[in-house]
Amino acid sequence: ILNVEQSPQSLHVQEGDSTNFTCSFPSSNFYALHWYRWETAKSPEALFVMTLNGDEKKKGRISATLNTKEGYSYLYIKGSQPEDSATYLCASTLGRLYFGRGTQLTVWP
Amino acid sequence: DAGVIQSPRHEVTEMGQEVTLRCKPISGHNSLFWYRQTMMRGLELLIYFNNNVPIDDSGMPEDRFSAKMPNASFSTLKIQPSEPRDSAVYFCASTGEGLDQPQHFGDGTRLSIL
Repeated sequence: ILNVEQSPQSLHVQEGDSTNFTCSFPSSNFYALHWYRWETAKSPEALFVMTLNGDEKKKGRISATLNTKEGYSYLYIKGSQPEDSATYLCASTLGRLYFGRGTQLTVWP
Repeated sequence: DAGVIQSPRHEVTEMGQEVTLRCKPISGHNSLFWYRQTMMRGLELLIYFNNNVPIDDSGMPEDRFSAKMPNASFSTLKIQPSEPRDSAVYFCASTGEGLDQPQHFGDGTRLSIL
């Protein structure tokens, strides 16, 4: 079993604020780190998959970084919008994906 | 391209009845996953298949749950007999070869056992 921790559990920000949250995972036997966006009443949607230490990926206003040596990844959202409100899940791998419990982001207009 | 297709979208049934959930993965994907979402445990993996073969079923709660993948384009998750505590949203996901490929989720089946 792989323990994947996400923090904070929930976050409330104002429209226009930039925000970031953390995913921690065991650094030994690392293979890949996934980020998913999960809107209420929908299904999780893949944002990024990262495999290399120092990897940085970007999709519009959302970006992610990866540190495999210390076992963490950050997800950043620049200039949050109400439509960014969702739960953001990360998952690390050890033979299969192990998901964290997610960070629930609410962006107020 | 069609995504992962799950059916039914909603199922309401009485305790003790057999429930069958269905999933059609994306064509060409060779790994298929069944997940359950609950408030208590979040998104938990029940079982996954690679090339139609079950690889890890350690997440299957108990013998009342069974899953099959008779061919590359179809999988079922069966609960018999069903219990109220099985009420949850069940997701199916598929992916290409390797754990560095993103998972594509279906819309889920919302199951309510009365």
